[in-house]
Order: sequence, then C-alpha cells, then structure tokens
Amino acid sequence: SAVISQKPSRDICQRGTSLTIQCQVDSQVTMMFWYRQQPGQSLTLIATANQGSEATYESGFVIDKFPISRPNLTFSTLTVSNMSPEDSSIYLCSVDPPGTLFNYGYTFGSGTRLTVV
Amino acid sequence: GQNIDQPTEMTATEGAIVQINCTYQTSGFNGLFWYQQHAGEAPTFLSYNVLDGLEEKGRFSSFLSRSKGYSYLLLKELQMKDSASYLCAVKPGYSTLTFGKGTMLLVSP
Repeated sequence: SAVISQKPSRDICQRGTSLTIQCQVDSQVTMMFWYRQQPGQSLTLIATANQGSEATYESGFVIDKFPISRPNLTFSTLTVSNMSPEDSSIYLCSVDPPGTLFNYGYTFGSGTRLTVV
Repeated sequence: GQNIDQPTEMTATEGAIVQINCTYQTSGFNGLFWYQQHAGEAPTFLSYNVLDGLEEKGRFSSFLSRSKGYSYLLLKELQMKDSASYLCAVKPGYSTLTFGKGTMLLVSP
C-alpha cells in the first residue's frame, strides 16, 4: 500500500491566520481525501481531491474555508483559512487502496495536530 | 443518510477475548473496514469485509452480516498494547469511508 508523508505534524497558530497542510504520496493515486478529527471524536470527511478538477466538499465544509489543491497524482494540500479555536483538530489525508484492492485498506497520513490560540 | 453505531467504551483484561460490535445503515454498501487508532496516531487498517462471514487475521477476526447491517471485531489473547480506539467504517457505494464514532478499548492487567 501507499506511503504518505504529511506535514507539518503539528502547529500552534494565531486566530485569523491560515495554515497549509501538505500530503505527498510515494505512488500515483486517483483520489485523495481530507478528514478532520476533533478532540475525542471520530473522523469526518472534509473533501475529496481529484487531480485536474475542483475538490468535492462534504456538507458543512466550504471551499473558502478549506481550499484544496491537487496539482498532480502524488500531492495535495489543504489550507485551513481564517482560523478560529474551533478549527483545533487533527487533520488527516488518505488515499485509495492500490487498484481499488480494498482488502489493503485505505492508507492515512500521520496527521497534523492543529491548535488555534 | 449514513448511520454507524458502535459502543463508546469497553474494558477487558489482558489475555481475554473482546468483541466490538458495529451496526450500520448506509445508502449503498461496498465494504466494511475496521481500523485501530492509538492516541495521537493515524488510524491503522485492520480488516475488510464485503461478503457475509468471518475473516481471520491472527489474533483479530471480523464478521459481517449484510442482511442485518451488522459487523463485529473480535480480539483474542488481549495484550496491553491493544488499548486503543477501534473505528468501524463503511464504504457506501462509490464514495469513500464513513466512520463510526469509535470504541475506546481499555485493556487492564
């Protein structure tokens, strides 16, 4: 399965600022996914990023707040814009299993722990 | 809509067997996944079921009944390192995973 490098691993940011999170995959993947995990909660899908098209956002998430780039098949970024303390969460990227062999599972990056003060 | 239910917390003793249940109601079904997540770490894939029945992987087994919308994860010979959150996730159709809230398992000596 793919190996994902996600950075930064953690950051403490001032409210009103923006943070861009990067995910680099060691192989080409069709779909990349961005999740949020709030403290003590499970994972919530923010958006799906396809190369060459705009990301598809889930209900409750908008492009102005969480702009996503997907310039090629191995890289994506998520920006958390105009941050407030409510954005303090862990953000994770994920990719499809290779060749849609789901018995390999979806792989996750190591996560970015964001604290907004 | 999607609804995935699993118990919030469970406790068990080292060496014992524990079963974590998951029920789901989703629009479409293309497989059920179990993940393990230790505090501060990313989720790690444990198992995948798409057909009814039991899948066994070492100390971990996962069961699926599609007609009942039900799965369980069975952990045998529990070890202290098994203390973690266990996430049940469903792939509804062609979209990606929808996660339950997770079950925090605490293994005591």
